[in-house]
Amino acid sequence: GQNIDQPTEMTATEGAIVQINCTYQTSGFNGLFWYQQHAGEAPTFLSYNVLDGLEEKGRFSSFLSRSKGYSYLLLKELQMKDSASYLCAVMDSNYQLIWGAGTKLIIKP
Amino acid sequence: DGGITQSPKYLFRKEGQNVTLSCEQNLNHDAMYWYRQDPGQGLRLIYYSQIVNDFQKGDIAEGYSVSREKKESFPLTVTSAQKNPTAFYLCASRAVQGHTDTQYFGPGTRLTVL
Repeated sequence: GQNIDQPTEMTATEGAIVQINCTYQTSGFNGLFWYQQHAGEAPTFLSYNVLDGLEEKGRFSSFLSRSKGYSYLLLKELQMKDSASYLCAVMDSNYQLIWGAGTKLIIKP
Repeated sequence: DGGITQSPKYLFRKEGQNVTLSCEQNLNHDAMYWYRQDPGQGLRLIYYSQIVNDFQKGDIAEGYSVSREKKESFPLTVTSAQKNPTAFYLCASRAVQGHTDTQYFGPGTRLTVL
């Protein structure tokens, strides 16, 4: 079956760095996505990785290793507004997104 | 402004009633999707449509129906056959540009069945 695993909840301190991991087993691979979702709101697109390596976008970076079925989202200089759930999703061989349950990130001052 | 709109944001219905959720996009995207989100679970695909007048069942289509008569519109009907309809419903459309392929979401409709 298809499976996306990510931690349920993480806590970090304002100004610090946090890494949210995602492992996946899917039928085919056409890219891995990270979305941010604030409570009660829709997910918003953060990043897309289809090749191995690190993609940097401001304070956020995303890494992919296809051979290991592994990705992480790195958030630097954490701000209180970064408190949200972070969703990992993989596009399978049918170009459908398979979603993880999300990681709730709690930022403490 | 281009985007995806869903209405209403909150919807209350009595058990046994059908209800239709609206989704409109002016992004000129061909593909549109309906997902359901429940606490502690990943998004689950209900239906999707790649082009006008065509749609496919997702993983949890039972108790739902859709139509795609116009490129801009992809309404979802939650029927009385859906056993547990209370959830957050998200509509998305897909942008394919070069080597990037991304889904963008509307604001969602929170449906509560009493």
